[in-house]
Amino acid sequence: GAVVSQHPSRVICKSGTSVKIECRSLDFQATTMFWYRQFPKKSLMLMATSNEGSKATYEQGVEKDKFLINHASLTLSTLTVTSAHPEDSSFYICSAFDSRSNQPQHFGDGTRLSIL
Amino acid sequence: AQKVTQAQTEISVVEKEDVTLDCVYETRDTTYYLFWYKQPPSGELVFLIRRNSFDEQNEISGRYSWNFQKSTSSFNFTITASQVVDSAVYFCALSGYRDDKIIFGKGTRLHILP
Repeated sequence: GAVVSQHPSRVICKSGTSVKIECRSLDFQATTMFWYRQFPKKSLMLMATSNEGSKATYEQGVEKDKFLINHASLTLSTLTVTSAHPEDSSFYICSAFDSRSNQPQHFGDGTRLSIL
Repeated sequence: AQKVTQAQTEISVVEKEDVTLDCVYETRDTTYYLFWYKQPPSGELVFLIRRNSFDEQNEISGRYSWNFQKSTSSFNFTITASQVVDSAVYFCALSGYRDDKIIFGKGTRLHILP
């Protein structure tokens, strides 16, 4: 079964609204979570890394005020796309892992965001 | 800098044929992990394998096999007796040994024709 739950799986909303995506680890403690973005027919690009209780580290070119990341607990991280516009439409995927273990990252099923 | 190159953008083969997906990587780390993921049309990432840089043994899992050659910095993936359900985008990826952020290749879109 899924060990990382990402919600919602799909969202369509109007330009200017803010959208929150949740990523939950179901049966392990996720000390670190990653957020990726994937444009159609493209690869996954890392947006940011978040460690529980710390501010997220954003990759170059990713606007931290546009993509707000919160990792307040060991089982939940959220990505909020603020004042979304059509160019923010994309597929967003989170992954989670416990840096204290030797297990690989577990990926969520992704969120398809469409901004009209 | 870390980099993963999947030179094959798109491959089409007829069902039951064998197909090899190439992956070449670059890293300055002496210890690292290599991965393969499958992304079917539904979009989720399916984990296939993780291999650490210390282990150059080839791996076989059913119809899937992987050839890790440190000398050529390659980690190729072969599907034998391909099936239509194997149609997907396959990503090769690389990370540091502490399973830090994963760097993905651009992916190879595989079409298995009936």
